[in-house]
Amino acid sequence: AQKVTQAQTEISVVEKEDVTLDCVYETRDTTYYLFWYKQPPSGELVFLIRRNSFDEQNEISGRYSWNFQKSTSSFNFTITASQVVDSAVYFCALSEARSNFGNEKLTFGTGTRLTIIP
Amino acid sequence: ETGVTQSPTHLIKTRGQQVTLRCSSQSGHNTVSWYQQALGQGPQFIFQYYREEENGRGNFPPRFSGLQFPNYSSELNVNALELDDSALYLCASSAPLTSGSSYNEQFFGPGTRLTVL
Repeated sequence: AQKVTQAQTEISVVEKEDVTLDCVYETRDTTYYLFWYKQPPSGELVFLIRRNSFDEQNEISGRYSWNFQKSTSSFNFTITASQVVDSAVYFCALSEARSNFGNEKLTFGTGTRLTIIP
Repeated sequence: ETGVTQSPTHLIKTRGQQVTLRCSSQSGHNTVSWYQQALGQGPQFIFQYYREEENGRGNFPPRFSGLQFPNYSSELNVNALELDDSALYLCASSAPLTSGSSYNEQFFGPGTRLTVL
C-alpha cells in the first residue's frame, strides 16, 4: 500500500524567509510519480510539480525548488523568499505508474498549512 | 479552454438523504476521478471513470456510485448520507496519453462542499 506522510501540520514564517515543507513516502512500486499541489482558501488544488521515480535530479522553478532523495524516500519542497501569496495548504502526493494508462489515482498526505506573515 | 467545473458549490443535506454531485471535465479530457477531502485531511480517492467505465475504486462503500457520460462529464451519487460524508468533493480530469507521453496531469475543479446534518 502507498502512504505519504507530511509531519509538519502547520508552519508560519515571516515574509521573505525561506521555508521547506517535508514529505516522506512509502511504496512497494519500483516506478512511481511524486507530486506537490497547492490548495488556496478557494479549495481548488493547483498542480505544482511532478517527478518520476527514475529522475532524482533536483529542480528549481523560480522561487520553488524540490529535493527528491530516493534513498530516504523523501520529496521536500522549498520556497525561497516567501511571499504572502504563498499562504496555502500544500499537499504531497504519490501515484503508481502503470505504463498503459498514465493517470492513476493519487495518494495524498495530510497537508501542511503554510502561513506567511507580512 | 474551459477548466474543470463542478456543481453545486455548496450543498446541505440531512442524514439518510441521497445526493448527486456533477463534474464537467476539461475539454479533450476523457478520464474523471473523484476525491473526498474531509476537513483538515488530504483528498482520498473514491473512484475513476475512463470512457464511461469505472477504472479503479478506493476504499469507499457501495453507496458511493458514479457515472460518466458520452461527453465525459461525470456524476457522483451518495446514498443514505451519513454525518461523516460531510466533506469537500473534488473532481479531476485528465487527457488521454499521446505518443511519447507516460503521464497526464489531473486537473482539479473547485469542489463541492457537502454538509450532512
